[in-house]
Amino acid sequence: DQQVKQNSPSLSVQEGRISILNCDYTNSMFDYFLWYKKYPAEGPTFLISISSIKDKNEDGRFTVFLNKSAKHLSLHIVPSQPGDSAVYFCAAKPDTGNQFYFGTGTSLTVIP
Amino acid sequence: GAGVSQSPSNKVTEKGKDVELRCDPISGHTALYWYRQSLGQGLEFLIYFQGNSAPDKSGLPSDRFSAERTGGSVSTLTIQRTQQEDSAVYLCASSLSRGGVGQETQYFGPGTRLLVL
Repeated sequence: DQQVKQNSPSLSVQEGRISILNCDYTNSMFDYFLWYKKYPAEGPTFLISISSIKDKNEDGRFTVFLNKSAKHLSLHIVPSQPGDSAVYFCAAKPDTGNQFYFGTGTSLTVIP
Repeated sequence: GAGVSQSPSNKVTEKGKDVELRCDPISGHTALYWYRQSLGQGLEFLIYFQGNSAPDKSGLPSDRFSAERTGGSVSTLTIQRTQQEDSAVYLCASSLSRGGVGQETQYFGPGTRLLVL
C-alpha cells in the first residue's frame, strides 16, 4: 500500500528552466513532509521540508508547495542546474508514530 | 567523520547464509532508522530505534530480520537464511530526538548493497 506516490519516474529539463517534481499522498494524518535528493551510490540527502501548518517553504532555488486539500506536494527548482540531476524522493510522516513513508522517486536530468 | 557510516558497502552472499549489516549514526543522534530499497522501489521502512525505548519493529518483513542497537549508538541489522528477494540496498539514517519540526530530519548513510545469489 503506497501511501506516498511519485507518478513520474523521470523528468528532463533544460538548464536554467524550472523543474517541478510532484508527489501525492493518501494519508490525511501526514503532517510533516520532506524532499530528499539522491546521487548514485550515495544515501539520500535532505533538501527541504514543510510542516502541514504551511503551504510554502522556500530555500534558495528550492521551493516546496503543499496543498493539503488535494494531498499534493511539489518541489520547484529554479533555475535548474546540471548538478541538480539526481533522484528526488518525497517523504511524509504522520503526527503520531515513528515511520516515514517514502515515494518511489523521480529521476531528474538537467540538460546543459 | 561527521556523517552516518555503514559497512560493508557491498555484500554478496549465497542463499541461506546469514548477513550482518552495520550502521554508525551521527554522534548525538538518538533516533536511528533502517530502510531497504529494492530495485525500482521506494524506501521501505524496516525498524526504528529511539534512545532506550523499545524499538518499533513494525516494518520488518519477516522473522528472519532482526536489529540491535548497542549503547544507543551503533546498530546492526541481521538477516538470517537470506533469500534472493532480500537483495536490495539497505539504508540507515539517524536524526535528533523528536522534539520539534526539523529535528526529525533524517541523515542517511551511503547504504549497503546486498546481493543474494
